[in-house]
Amino acid sequence: QKEVEQDPGPLSVPEGAIVSLNCTYSNSAFQYFMWYRQYSRKGPELLMYTYSSGNKEDGRFTAQVDKSSKYISLFIRDSQPSDSATYLCAIIKAAGNKLTFGGGTRVLVKP
Amino acid sequence: GAGVSQSPSNKVTEKGKDVELRCDPISGHTALYWYRQSLGQGLEFLIYFQGNSAPDKSGLPSDRFSAERTGGSVSTLTIQRTQQEDSAVYLCASSSIDSPGGLETQYFGPGTRLLVL
Repeated sequence: QKEVEQDPGPLSVPEGAIVSLNCTYSNSAFQYFMWYRQYSRKGPELLMYTYSSGNKEDGRFTAQVDKSSKYISLFIRDSQPSDSATYLCAIIKAAGNKLTFGGGTRVLVKP
Repeated sequence: GAGVSQSPSNKVTEKGKDVELRCDPISGHTALYWYRQSLGQGLEFLIYFQGNSAPDKSGLPSDRFSAERTGGSVSTLTIQRTQQEDSAVYLCASSSIDSPGGLETQYFGPGTRLLVL
């Protein structure tokens, strides 16, 4: 079993819809929870990170962590075609340690 | 440069040949990571350099893989006697401390696409 599981998609939504992405993880030692966005033929870029259970908002993006269920989510409101990309969750045990990634979910927002 | 750069962007090689992949991190970043991304797979950690400390090599898949970081800046990932299963995108990241949370934010380069025929 992988340490971080993520549905590969693809997830296709109409423009303006809410995109809902999630990951589950198995190791309770994980402390930091991140979401990266990766456009085709580019490196991943950090969207958001959280440290504790709860919600964190940044513009149209909301990250949610439920440590008791080992479940993390990313919501994208008012989705745009430019949001079409692969979204990767990544988890880290401690600051400075290596990232453990989910497999990524490919998202397609149709105009 | 403003970001992490990697070269070459694409590399095609024959099975059995050695390849070298280069990473130029963001100036001033003390930590450098190499990851591998295979088709349909997530990113797989390979190796981590932090300052003058001994590197964390725990992710290297075999002894054909090695990496070095010269002068605390540029890094080279070397794959000897390449195999077809080595075909992947090799990504480099460098990091800085995100002061409020104490988290090292990793910034990725565009990757080197390696194809072993």
